[in-house]
Amino acid sequence: GNSVTQMEGPVTLSEEAFLTINCTYTATGYPSLFWYVQYPGEGLQLLLKATKADDKGSNKGFEATYRKETTSFHLEKGSVQVSDSAVYFCALLNSNSGYALNFGKGTSLLVTP
Amino acid sequence: EAGVAQSPRYKIIEKRQSVAFWCNPISGHATLYWYQQILGQGPKLLIQFQNNGVVDDSQLPKDRFSAERLKGVDSTLKIQPAKLEDSAVYLCASSFDKGNVGNSPLHFGNGTRLTVT
Repeated sequence: GNSVTQMEGPVTLSEEAFLTINCTYTATGYPSLFWYVQYPGEGLQLLLKATKADDKGSNKGFEATYRKETTSFHLEKGSVQVSDSAVYFCALLNSNSGYALNFGKGTSLLVTP
Repeated sequence: EAGVAQSPRYKIIEKRQSVAFWCNPISGHATLYWYQQILGQGPKLLIQFQNNGVVDDSQLPKDRFSAERLKGVDSTLKIQPAKLEDSAVYLCASSFDKGNVGNSPLHFGNGTRLTVT
């Protein structure tokens, strides 16, 4: 079946540090991959996406590259800010499973000044 | 554009009671989803509607959960009777196009936090 595995949190970083949140997936076929973010008190928002192998999604300084050979979609940012503190969810969409998103468990990020 | 609206924001009930949640999707969005997010876990799909028809309800516990979208716009999710393990945030999401979510991302509401005591 389809599943997503994320690194456990919480992740605590100082402002301007480099961020990596690991995400690996299991799926048949060719899924699309997403990162969603949930800021405190707000709903889930799409952060970035990649729909095929070697695609790089980017938004707000965050990047993730769809690596089919390692079945990974790691989220990176070169210099985090306090405002990036949130919970980050990796998700997979597979047309083989009715177009519903499968989410990872989420990784909580806290950025301190 | 207005976002996905959900109500109530919070609900506390005792086990074996009933509860209903309401969702109004973004105008023009044909596809509506209900997700359950238990604390510390990612959202899990309960049911997916395309207009007023059910696309996927394979993970909906049908002995106690029901959902409807009679006019293809807003939707209600009901739990009857509730169990302790139903404590979670219930998220509603909508998208414009079922078949192309890669280019039509899901828009989520803020959710309803249910506590069953």
